[in-house]
Amino acid sequence: NAGVTQTPKFQVLKTGQSMTLQCAQDMNHEYMSWYRQDPGMGLRLIHYSVGAGITDQGEVPNGYNVSRSTTEDFPLRLLSAAPSQTSVYFCASRIRASSYNSPLHFGNGTRLTVT
Amino acid sequence: GESVGLHLPTLSVQEGDNSIINCAYSNSASDYFIWYKQESGKGPQFIIDIRSNMDKRQGQRVTVLLNKTVKHLSLQIAATQPGDSAVYFCAETPRDTGRRALTFGSGTRLQVQP
Repeated sequence: NAGVTQTPKFQVLKTGQSMTLQCAQDMNHEYMSWYRQDPGMGLRLIHYSVGAGITDQGEVPNGYNVSRSTTEDFPLRLLSAAPSQTSVYFCASRIRASSYNSPLHFGNGTRLTVT
Repeated sequence: GESVGLHLPTLSVQEGDNSIINCAYSNSASDYFIWYKQESGKGPQFIIDIRSNMDKRQGQRVTVLLNKTVKHLSLQIAATQPGDSAVYFCAETPRDTGRRALTFGSGTRLQVQP
């Protein structure tokens, strides 16, 4: 199993551009989520999904959209990038949303710079 | 608001010594805690977890201690090795958020001196 795969690893955008960060997992996990990590801060939850067709907002959802059309994929969309969205983005999954006492599995991140 | 935090941003230890990384949490509704290790350029990697009905849990060279009375969590690493150098995060799952999200601390950097 590859686990959680994120693409691209690095991306530079200009303010106002849009893009999609890809996330795929091959562990048949129901629960998937997106976090952002900023210097000196812990990871903050952006959006999450407890299964295909179901998504919900996390702590910092503004400026981001998500969809979950399949169990495997959970893309994160930036509709109009802003410098405040410069960050490292991590996708994470676990087997079920209700399996709260099982750990999240993280991808290796996408480093996004918005100029 | 309530949050998970860490006492020390950077911890420097000698190779072979034991390391102790501390974490304070304030959400009494949390009942599951995890320690993650993050190496440069990688995503957080699960180390060990503990439920609130336990005080101690041991893994390979690592031990997590939970003191619910003072809302304190610690990670002990025995015989610290250079490969242990990384940033360590504690995280909690609060019952009052439906346990659907983890709340992370800001991290402690462990530096192992050879």
